[in-house]
Amino acid sequence: DTGVSQDPRHKITKRGQNVTFRCDPISEHNRLYWYRQTLGQGPEFLTYFQNEAQLEKSRLLSDRFSAERPKGSFSTLEIQRTEQGDSAMYLCASSYDGTVVSGYTFGSGTRLTVV
Amino acid sequence: QKEVEQNSGPLSVPEGAIASLNCTYSDRGSQSFFWYRQYSGKSPELIMSIYSNGDKEDGRFTAQLNKASQYVSLLIRDSQPSDSATYLCAVLYNQGGKLIFGQGTELSVKP
Repeated sequence: DTGVSQDPRHKITKRGQNVTFRCDPISEHNRLYWYRQTLGQGPEFLTYFQNEAQLEKSRLLSDRFSAERPKGSFSTLEIQRTEQGDSAMYLCASSYDGTVVSGYTFGSGTRLTVV
Repeated sequence: QKEVEQNSGPLSVPEGAIASLNCTYSDRGSQSFFWYRQYSGKSPELIMSIYSNGDKEDGRFTAQLNKASQYVSLLIRDSQPSDSATYLCAVLYNQGGKLIFGQGTELSVKP
């Protein structure tokens, strides 16, 4: 297991379409996080899971966004009815809750462009 | 007030100089602090963590923490062109819940 894997790396979609991203965390990590990053800004927290439980969701996250981690392993982030403002890099990260104070490891990200 | 704020960039330093990056945070209960480096088009990479007041050194990097002032800094000694990147300050909130990031400071090291 070499790290956090995200798929796809790039996604171009038309406004109004739905998109789904996948994240495979480091296998022994039970926590999984989703962030969004736009140009010139730091990563913005979206949501996180401990095992299969979604423990927190950002108040800034509209109801068009949903995330799942059905078996406590990989996670998906779905955006429904995409808007141009959704264009961003979507980053996934994982950690083990016993060592979360050590920071966490990011995947390479999925860059979404809504046209 | 933003939860984590970094000094605005871009910051430009000559090769061999010391680069100083600063960060303040709003939550007095925070216990863990991190610096990430992000190259253009890449994901953030953890370079330093600090938990106690004072300095922590790792090679050319020194992190400094002052919890009373709610201030974290990163010093890069003998800056190299390969250090040119955006540096992100992150604070662990809610007893290990999530990292909150600052907006980042872009560093440019000129040969």
